[in-house]
Amino acid sequence: DAKTTQPTSMDCAEGRAANLPCNHSTISGNEYVYWYRQIHSQGPQYIIHGLKNNETNEMASLIITEDRKSSTLILPHATLRDTAVYYCIVRVGETGNQFYFGTGTSLTVIP
Amino acid sequence: EAGVTQFPSHSVIEKGQTVTLRCDPISGHDNLYWYRRVMGKEIKFLLHFVKESKQDESGMPNNRFLAERTGGTYSTLKVQPAELEDSGVYFCASSQASGRLSEQFFGPGTRLTVL
Repeated sequence: DAKTTQPTSMDCAEGRAANLPCNHSTISGNEYVYWYRQIHSQGPQYIIHGLKNNETNEMASLIITEDRKSSTLILPHATLRDTAVYYCIVRVGETGNQFYFGTGTSLTVIP
Repeated sequence: EAGVTQFPSHSVIEKGQTVTLRCDPISGHDNLYWYRRVMGKEIKFLLHFVKESKQDESGMPNNRFLAERTGGTYSTLKVQPAELEDSGVYFCASSQASGRLSEQFFGPGTRLTVL
């Protein structure tokens, strides 16, 4: 029973917005959704997190549905350097400190 | 501010040998985590330290893996004896706090190859 479900891969034209969806239908009411990305062989890099309201920072925007069962990460103007695997993450485990990564979405930004 | 560092970046060993991976968390971060991605699979949690204490080690695959964090600073993850299926990338992360709102900062990982 996957905690998060994401499309395996997506393409996006350079300069256009990249919209990456995630389903997290079993998320509990007080749990945050985190988004990280992994560029090539680097460690996962934090992007943004949210609880119920939409969030925006210098990297991306996060739209969370009212029922909190899904969210969308938006990269407003994708560049070639945004090519990476994007993970929608929720916490699991008895202590709630385990990050559940799932399979992630491999985003390819096309020139 | 220095990020999470891991050593070595790559390690190639033979089956049956011992390998020790090291992680230095961000200074002041009491929480330290180990994750790994074995070939073709997802990144999976291994364990979580709060200072020198193991808070959650439910992800450790078997007793060939031993994690320590003496003094609550850096951590080591020893694999003894290593098996072929241990090959993969081992990530360390740290956070200032624990709980539902605590961003984890990841290191670059150690790529372990067991031949």
